[in-house]
Amino acid sequence: KNEVEQSPQNLTAQEGEFITINCSYSVGISALHWLQQHPGGGIVSLFMLSSGKKKHGRLIATINIQEKHSSLHITASHPRDSAVYICAVIDSNYQLIWGAGTKLIIKP
Amino acid sequence: DAGVTQSPTHLIKTRGQHVTLRCSPISGHKSVSWYQQVLGQGPQFIFQYYEKEERGRGNFPDRFSARQFPNYSSELNVNALLLGDSALYLCASSLQGTDTQYFGPGTRLTVL
Repeated sequence: KNEVEQSPQNLTAQEGEFITINCSYSVGISALHWLQQHPGGGIVSLFMLSSGKKKHGRLIATINIQEKHSSLHITASHPRDSAVYICAVIDSNYQLIWGAGTKLIIKP
Repeated sequence: DAGVTQSPTHLIKTRGQHVTLRCSPISGHKSVSWYQQVLGQGPQFIFQYYEKEERGRGNFPDRFSARQFPNYSSELNVNALLLGDSALYLCASSLQGTDTQYFGPGTRLTVL
């Protein structure tokens, strides 16, 4: 079993839809990252959370430490949001353990 | 301010050769982490350096080594290259290693 699991693996939606990507982890963590990777490899860090909720524009990330679960939400999705979204946790050895990613396609 | 920079952008090597990849962190960042991303897979943690000391190491063979210089830039060295080492190598910097990481564009290594 992977230490960081994401769902769904692939998600296709229409422009304007509300998107939710889920992440569950099984290790003790000091923080959790949500990252965005576009074709060609460029990675952008969207959020780093250790508790609660963060919002940036149309993106919202939440984390429940007790349940070892985090979600990334995109409101009013747009084709430019199409990318791979990766959940990664920082463990006690300072390792960033990555989920497999969720490939999101937003159709116009 | 410049972001994380990596060099070279692309590199082609043959099996058995050695390669050195370079990373310059964001100014003021003291931690650099290295990741390997094989095509179609998520990134795998290789090393983290903080204040010039190795602080974390992933499950990679001894052919992989790294170091961090006094100016906090870093090199990743891979000896005796194998075909399976073909990947995108990502460098990320952060203030302390436990905070938000900022990624460079990566170096795409192809081993023939």
